[in-house]
Amino acid sequence: ETGVTQTPRHLVMGMTNKKSLKCEQHLGHNAMYWYKQSAKKPLELMFVYSLEERVENNSVPSRFSPECPNSSHLFLHLHTLQPEDSALYLCASSQEPGTHEQFFGPGTRLTVL
Amino acid sequence: AQTVTQSQPEMSVQEAETVTLSCTYDTSESDYYLFWYKQPPSRQMILVIRQEAYKQQNATENRFSVNFQKAAKSFSLKISDSQLGDAAMYFCAYRSVIRHDFNKFYFGSGTKLNVKP
Repeated sequence: ETGVTQTPRHLVMGMTNKKSLKCEQHLGHNAMYWYKQSAKKPLELMFVYSLEERVENNSVPSRFSPECPNSSHLFLHLHTLQPEDSALYLCASSQEPGTHEQFFGPGTRLTVL
Repeated sequence: AQTVTQSQPEMSVQEAETVTLSCTYDTSESDYYLFWYKQPPSRQMILVIRQEAYKQQNATENRFSVNFQKAAKSFSLKISDSQLGDAAMYFCAYRSVIRHDFNKFYFGSGTKLNVKP
């Protein structure tokens, strides 16, 4: 595997379910990000981890819980989601300091019923 | 917070022709980074081109070039000799260099580019 990978690629869950999204980066980067992408809206930055410490949390509802056990892996734990949480969830990584660009995964398409 | 505006939700271009995508941003900072990302249908977002604000010279990557107007806070992307594979969503993004904002990327809402054969 190369680059940034995300699993699963598609997820359908009920409002009472608990699920987790996984992201793995194979680039040796030290910062990882979760974004929410909804149609016709700018990407919303949810969480940022730098050197495995959370440095940014953009007032995301507590039903989203991130975890970064090491610099290569990032999780987003989901519970009691709402239908409006249906979106494409993108993971990205970058090297800090570095070229300042982010490398994105393919995303997880989440549907909440 | 900085805002990034892409005023063209959708554009079309004939194959082999040139198209320009617009992006404006709002900031009080003097140094920052600007990016254009491409997201093909059902595929990963990839970086197209990057511009450092302290550089006056416009960035160029093969058929892709930018027109960076710092005073006007404008950062447009020009695609020359458009190809079918250029069809995608294009996102403009801003990144601060200020320490406490360093990890924040601000994205526009995107422009969908259609390429007609």
